[in-house]
Amino acid sequence: GIQVEQSPPDLILQEGANSTLRCNFSDSVNNLQWFHQNPWGQLINLFYIPSGTKQNGRLSATTVATERYSLLYISSSQTTDSGVYFCAVAQKLVFGQGTRLTINP
Amino acid sequence: NAGVTQTPKFQVLKTGQSMTLQCAQDMNHEYMSWYRQDPGMGLRLIHYSVGAGITDQGEVPNGYNVSRSTTEDFPLRLLSAAPSQTSVYFCASTWSGTPYEQYFGPGTRLTVT
Repeated sequence: GIQVEQSPPDLILQEGANSTLRCNFSDSVNNLQWFHQNPWGQLINLFYIPSGTKQNGRLSATTVATERYSLLYISSSQTTDSGVYFCAVAQKLVFGQGTRLTINP
Repeated sequence: NAGVTQTPKFQVLKTGQSMTLQCAQDMNHEYMSWYRQDPGMGLRLIHYSVGAGITDQGEVPNGYNVSRSTTEDFPLRLLSAAPSQTSVYFCASTWSGTPYEQYFGPGTRLTVT
């Protein structure tokens, strides 16, 4: 089946820093989503982005489907950005292992 | 719209007990699915349904049953709970056909002792 790898597994930053999270996938997909799982365990939809670039405030995402990767950019990080970020691909949503982001004040 | 709702939020079972996790959505979505999340891991698909009366297995279906009698509801049944089923369970829904963004419920935290 399709494999999804996320990097880095852990990221610790100071408030105000920028970060880039990467998602690689092993096969062509027509569906890709980014989620933020907050410290309370809730999954929050960030982007539905099977291809192209989208922006929402301080967050943006780019998916290059032909090269099988997606990037999530977080600018001017805030402590509320802490949590685990997942990408998931394909209709049945195969998830990566996540990137745990910690933003220190 | 309430979106995707799940009950209960927390549950503790003894080994061998049975229970049903409830999932409902009010967005008229045809596609519904159940995932489990174990500590430090991403979510894995248990079962899914593309419409009322149609269900299929995902990656980790053993020990779980589902049925889909209405568009709105998609319950997950544990027939004989085992400690290996201790996990957080998420329900999701979307439209069928061309892939669409999936929406997740708040999760049910299940502990089997």
